Amino acid sequence: KNQVEQSPQSLIILEGKNCTLQCNYTVSPFSNLRWYKQDTGRGPVSLTIMTFSENTKSNGRYTATLDADTKQSSLHITASQLSDSASYICVVSLMDSSYKLIFGSGTRLLVRP
Amino acid sequence: GAGVSQTPSNKVTEKGKYVELRCDPISGHTALYWYRQSLGQGPEFLIYFQGTGAADDSGLPNDRFFAVRPEGSVSTLKIQRTERGDSAVYLCASSRDGTWEQFFGPGTRLTVL
Repeated sequence: KNQVEQSPQSLIILEGKNCTLQCNYTVSPFSNLRWYKQDTGRGPVSLTIMTFSENTKSNGRYTATLDADTKQSSLHITASQLSDSASYICVVSLMDSSYKLIFGSGTRLLVRP
Repeated sequence: GAGVSQTPSNKVTEKGKYVELRCDPISGHTALYWYRQSLGQGPEFLIYFQGTGAADDSGLPNDRFFAVRPEGSVSTLKIQRTERGDSAVYLCASSRDGTWEQFFGPGTRLTVL
């Protein structure tokens, strides 16, 4: 079964600190992996998109890594800000139906002052 | 418009009633998607439109759910004989075509009493 699992389920950090969120997937055949940020009451917003041939991709203070062999990805947030408080969702798409996104349950991040 | 819009933002209905949820995609986007997000979970795929036709409706949970996109722009998700288990946030997304980045709307929160 195609699944995306994320850890931790929730995380609290102090403003200015770094954190890393984890994603494991069993989706096959794999097309690409995305990280989305979802603020409360809003739709998800794309942070990064990586194909199987990419190992890392950055978007400002967000850096995503991908290991297609172990089927693991991580999202590293540097110098966290209060506005980073949100859910971060790992999303994988299939090779033969790349429009059909398979979402993880997300990691709920709270950044405290 | 600048982004994907959805109306209403909130809908409360009674069990057994009929509801319609509307999605206005980004102008020029040919692909449109509906997702359902239960509390604490990631979105789940419902249906994908390419133009006016439903290219993949495999995510619709049962025949009470139906969606249309008659002119290839605005889409309506219709739910008949609503049940309490239908309570969720219904997200709409659009993309330039059936591949790559999907842009999400803010969602409609449906509550069935």
